[in-house]
Amino acid sequence: DAKTTQPPSMDCAEGRAANLPCNHSTISGNEYVYWYRQIHSQGPQYIIHGLKNNETNEMASLIITEDRKSSTLILPHATLRDTAVYYCIVRVAGSSNTGKLIFGQGTTLQVKP
Amino acid sequence: DAGVIQSPRHEVTEMGQEVTLRCKPISGHNSLFWYRQTMMRGLELLIYFNNNVPIDDSGMPEDRFSAKMPNASFSTLKIQPSEPRDSAVYFCASRTGTSNTEAFFGQGTRLTVV
Repeated sequence: DAKTTQPPSMDCAEGRAANLPCNHSTISGNEYVYWYRQIHSQGPQYIIHGLKNNETNEMASLIITEDRKSSTLILPHATLRDTAVYYCIVRVAGSSNTGKLIFGQGTTLQVKP
Repeated sequence: DAGVIQSPRHEVTEMGQEVTLRCKPISGHNSLFWYRQTMMRGLELLIYFNNNVPIDDSGMPEDRFSAKMPNASFSTLKIQPSEPRDSAVYFCASRTGTSNTEAFFGQGTRLTVV
């Protein structure tokens, strides 16, 4: 199973872009990169996912390097409500291909006024 | 849809008692996951079901833990007997069967065993 490495914590000024890196150097060709976040005391919330192309939605952008060994989640204009733990996950593709999500320790993003 | 619904939100019980946590997945979702979260170990996958059938229970810590999914709209996680080290927040999540779709999480059950 591909493992991910994230910095334990980051700070970002309110209104600025937050760029959260993730290394997944052992990712396989058919594995997706997922990002979730967990705001204090809540269940994890899906943000975005991608395979090899960059992706954008109303919450964030996901930039995946050409070799797919790393990615960056971008929150274009961080707000105080974006303070959370952000998890980068590589979907495990088992024999039944149900894709269980294995969470690491994540990055705690603190958005400061 | 109201999302994934878990009950109770909080549970305090004495050591040795049986505890049952409940989960109602989003209608139409056919994959269901149970996670446990503690400060020390983070988010751990305990078990997941596909079409009501347990696919992987390798994360279940020991025989005191059991999970069932009698139908597509209900699942339980039972701990018998409970121990203080079982204190944690337990999350349920559901997803449609397509393997690259996102999972939706409930608000969790905070279990305290005293």
